[in-house]
Amino acid sequence: GESVGLHLPTLSVQEGDNSIINCAYSNSASDYFIWYKQESGKGPQFIIDIRSNMDKRQGQRVTVLLNKTVKHLSLQIAATQPGDSAVYFCAERTGGFKTIFGAGTRLFVKA
Amino acid sequence: GVTQSPTHLIKTRGQQVTLRCSSQSGHNTVSWYQQALGQGPQFIFQYYEEEERQRGNFPDRFSGHQFPNYSSELNVNALELDDSALYLCASSSAGTGRNNEKLFFGSGTQLSVL
Repeated sequence: GESVGLHLPTLSVQEGDNSIINCAYSNSASDYFIWYKQESGKGPQFIIDIRSNMDKRQGQRVTVLLNKTVKHLSLQIAATQPGDSAVYFCAERTGGFKTIFGAGTRLFVKA
Repeated sequence: GVTQSPTHLIKTRGQQVTLRCSSQSGHNTVSWYQQALGQGPQFIFQYYEEEERQRGNFPDRFSGHQFPNYSSELNVNALELDDSALYLCASSSAGTGRNNEKLFFGSGTQLSVL
């Protein structure tokens, strides 16, 4: 079916630690995956993406890992900062033009 | 960036509403999403070159339009209580056959149906 789920609804980390946000997807035909960050009162903001022919992609302080065998996606944030506090959504594309979002994980960064 | 208006709106059940979106400069594609409280955005439809090219699982009460300048409107008729949500517009630059264009979201319109 069309669903993108998350293992944990909330995640609390200490400032300076690394954060890992996990996501499971159900459609093995999905070929493009995206992570978005949504702060309060704002729309989702693109963080990083990865195509299905890759298993890892790095950005500035963020890394996305894709495991197609178990249909799992993760977002790693290095040296988490207070400004990283937000809701994070994984999303997928299965051909077409529709982006399917998961329910989101709320990240709390403790000072 | 992407701008949406109004930011907040209160309507009563059975009324009709029109939400507006201005795309980011250079973008020719607009997508609309509904985000209920505590949930991820749900795809309503996408417009490309003034035509609807894909639609999500939403009733016909939800309709849209894209103008020659690529701005867009979302119309919802016969409002129901469950239509209360944040409505997000996202623009992107896409050609036919591409499915990896990045979405740039506006801050949304918060619709409350009483």
